[in-house]
Amino acid sequence: GIQVEQSPPDLILQEGANSTLRCNFSDSVNNLQWFHQNPWGQLINLFYIPSGTKQNGRLSATTVATERYSLLYISSSQTTDSGVYFCAVEPGTSGSRLTFGEGTQLTVNP
Amino acid sequence: EPEVTQTPSHQVTQMGQEVILRCVPISNHLYFYWYRQILGQKVEFLVSFYNNEISEKSEIFDDQFSVERPDGSNFTLKIRSTKLEDSAMYFCASKKEGFAFFGQGTRLTVV
Repeated sequence: GIQVEQSPPDLILQEGANSTLRCNFSDSVNNLQWFHQNPWGQLINLFYIPSGTKQNGRLSATTVATERYSLLYISSSQTTDSGVYFCAVEPGTSGSRLTFGEGTQLTVNP
Repeated sequence: EPEVTQTPSHQVTQMGQEVILRCVPISNHLYFYWYRQILGQKVEFLVSFYNNEISEKSEIFDDQFSVERPDGSNFTLKIRSTKLEDSAMYFCASKKEGFAFFGQGTRLTVV
């Protein structure tokens, strides 16, 4: 099946710093989503971005489908940005399930 | 904004007992899913459901698991005889096309 690798696995920032999270995938995809898992375990949708660039406030994402990677940018980070960020992809060739990466654990210190 | 609703938010059960996790997907969605996340690990696919039948299932989804859409709105996951290793967060998701919406999860603890 498709492989999804996220980097870095852990990231510690000071409040106000910027960061880039990366998601590499091993095959073509129909769908790519970024999620933020909050301390209560809820998965919060950030972006649906199978290709191109989107922005939502301090967050933006870019997916380069031909090169099989996606980037999530967080600018001016806040303590409430802390949590685990997951990338999930739906393969282009079979089924409609999402395959998740291992996630990036982000800690933003005041 | 439409949302996927799961109940209960927490469930504690004795090993060997049956549990039913409930989900109300978004009303005009066509595809329904269950995923699980063991504490500290990534989210794993369990099963997908389309047109009133299972369309795909993972190796985790063995005979202890079943899904049902008993009426036009609910989507349930039943675990027949729970084991300690079934303790996890269970997520329901639905989609119409492309974007999958996830519920807030049910945290299942088997003791």
